[in-house]
This record gives sequence, structure tokens and C-alpha cells, in this order.
Amino acid sequence: EVQLVESGGALVQPGGSLRLSCAVSGFTVSSHYLTWVRQAPGKGLEWVSTIYSGDVTNYADSVRGRFTISRDTSRNTLFLQMDSLRVDDTAVYYCARGADFDYWGQGTLVTVS
Amino acid sequence: QSALTQPASVSGSPGQSITISCTGTTSDVGGFNYVSWYQQHPGKAPKLIIYDVKVRPSGVSARFSGSKSGNTASLTISALQADDEADYYCNSFTRSNTLIFGGGTKLTVL
Repeated sequence: EVQLVESGGALVQPGGSLRLSCAVSGFTVSSHYLTWVRQAPGKGLEWVSTIYSGDVTNYADSVRGRFTISRDTSRNTLFLQMDSLRVDDTAVYYCARGADFDYWGQGTLVTVS
Repeated sequence: QSALTQPASVSGSPGQSITISCTGTTSDVGGFNYVSWYQQHPGKAPKLIIYDVKVRPSGVSARFSGSKSGNTASLTISALQADDEADYYCNSFTRSNTLIFGGGTKLTVL
């Protein structure tokens, strides 16, 4: 069974850092594109970052230079390192699998205040 | 890049059909057949219901269908049911090798 489980969300002050994790099971992190998507309270979905084959990465303009996506194949886990956090980064952060986001985690809440 | 344009809300009665539009540009929706749609119930993670414009994943009801014309993609839900009441989001690949979501549409089943 495919599962994605996010963790690491917390309350952090502006300018601070946080690392989110997404532990996956039922597939390997090296075999699929993996993406972070966020949703601010009461707002819509926003694509944040994707890691592709060969560890090629891309980022939304709003986070480029501050966030870093990576994966650890030995731990079968996806990460999102978030630095220089701003109030408008407050959101539920989801990890999702594949080019079409066919499986999602339950989300982890990041509050910057 | 601005979000794809979706109506903020649509409504329909049980048994009726509704269509949600998703308008972009030639740099995203119009330029690629990589449009997907997601259903999100309150407090839940989104669920994939359509990918590659019109393909339904296994297990998704045939009442959901997708299409595209020019820069506008559409999601049609036929024979509306109470459980279809949710938020719906479109998503497209872009020329910049990024992804972009629509602003979301709240479906109310009357």
C-alpha cells in the first residue's frame, strides 16, 4: 500500500528554519518524481517544489533560494529544508507522488509567527 | 506566475451535471496535455480525479470527465451526488517546467 506521511511542522519565528520530512512506503523515493504543495489557511493549493529523476529540482518563485528539496534513498524519505521563513509561508505542507500527484500525505502545519 | 482561473463557486442539484472551467495561457494549459484535477473535502488532503486532461485514475467514478479546448480545460461532474460537495482544483504543467494550480472552485450540491 502506498503511503506518504509528513512530519516536522511547527511554530517558528520569522527568519527561522525548519525541515519537513515525508516518509514514504509502498514505493521508493528514487522511482518517482516527488513534490511539495502547500495550502495557506482558507486558501488554495500552491505548488512549492518538485524533485525529478537524477535529482533535478525546481521551485516556485516564492520559495526559490530559501527552500531546498532533497531525498534520502536509504531512509526512503523526502525532505524540504525551509530557511528565512516568512509569515506568508504559513500553510499546511503536503508531499505528493508523481507527475500527477496520484498519492498525497495528510499534511503538516507550518506556522510562522 | 498567476494562478489558473477557475470560478470561485458553482452549484447544482442532485442528479444534475455541472462543469468547472480552468483557463490559462499557451504557456501552460494550452501548450501541454498535462492538466489534472483534484477534489478536496474540508480538512482532507486533495484526491486526484483526472490527469492528462481526460484520464480517470482507477477507482474514480465515471461521472467525472475532463476535456480541453484551447487555453481552457474543463471538469464535468454528471449525476451530482451530495458527496461531490467539495473544493476542486485544476493543475497544469508550464513552459517553465513548473506546475501551477487554479484558484479553486467550491462546489455546492443544493
